[in-house]
Amino acid sequence: DVKVTQSSRYLVKRTGEKVFLECVQDMDHENMFWYRQDPGLGLRLIYFSYDVKMKEKGDIPEGYSVSREKKERFSLILESASTNQTSMYLCASSLGLAGVSYEQYFGPGTRLTVT
Amino acid sequence: SQQGEEDPQALSIQEGENATMNCSYKTSINNLQWYRQNSGRGLVHLILIRSNEREKHSGRLRVTLDTSKKSSSLLITASRAADTASYFCATDGRNTGGFKTIFGAGTRLFVKA
Repeated sequence: DVKVTQSSRYLVKRTGEKVFLECVQDMDHENMFWYRQDPGLGLRLIYFSYDVKMKEKGDIPEGYSVSREKKERFSLILESASTNQTSMYLCASSLGLAGVSYEQYFGPGTRLTVT
Repeated sequence: SQQGEEDPQALSIQEGENATMNCSYKTSINNLQWYRQNSGRGLVHLILIRSNEREKHSGRLRVTLDTSKKSSSLLITASRAADTASYFCATDGRNTGGFKTIFGAGTRLFVKA
């Protein structure tokens, strides 16, 4: 079974703090994704990575950065957390082949509250 | 940009009934996927249908795709209380290099025992 794990299920941070969300997958997938999920808005893509050290902006990258130093690990960084970044954050991974979409495997999510 | 939009937003049925959810999208796609999310958890992949396919089955799930109408439907037959969840369709546009999958806002299904 593919397993995608996220470092925390719940996180509470203060405004202005630097926040790291970690995601690890164990299936040697090329692609990894970070989404945020807000009520009524579905999932919105923040960043994705199709290879080590490669990253692409998604639809809402502002206020976020990412790091992928190893194939199995994809980190989301909030440089200076703000209250409007309170959300559920979901990490996912998939096989990767240019021009082909595969099913994504999701982690359990991190519910981040910024106060 | 929201590619897939599910309809209805919420659906409440009795156990044993069938549940139908629809998804409409705007641009050409390579494939369309359906996912389920139980409350407060990650998404679980249900089924993927490619643009050259019209219908696909998996257990109690039946998915159809009409590319001329840019729409898809997910049918769950003989629903169970355990089917209570949110269901999302997800599409990838032909112009996204296959990397970007765009999710709709979801349909919340409640199955009453």
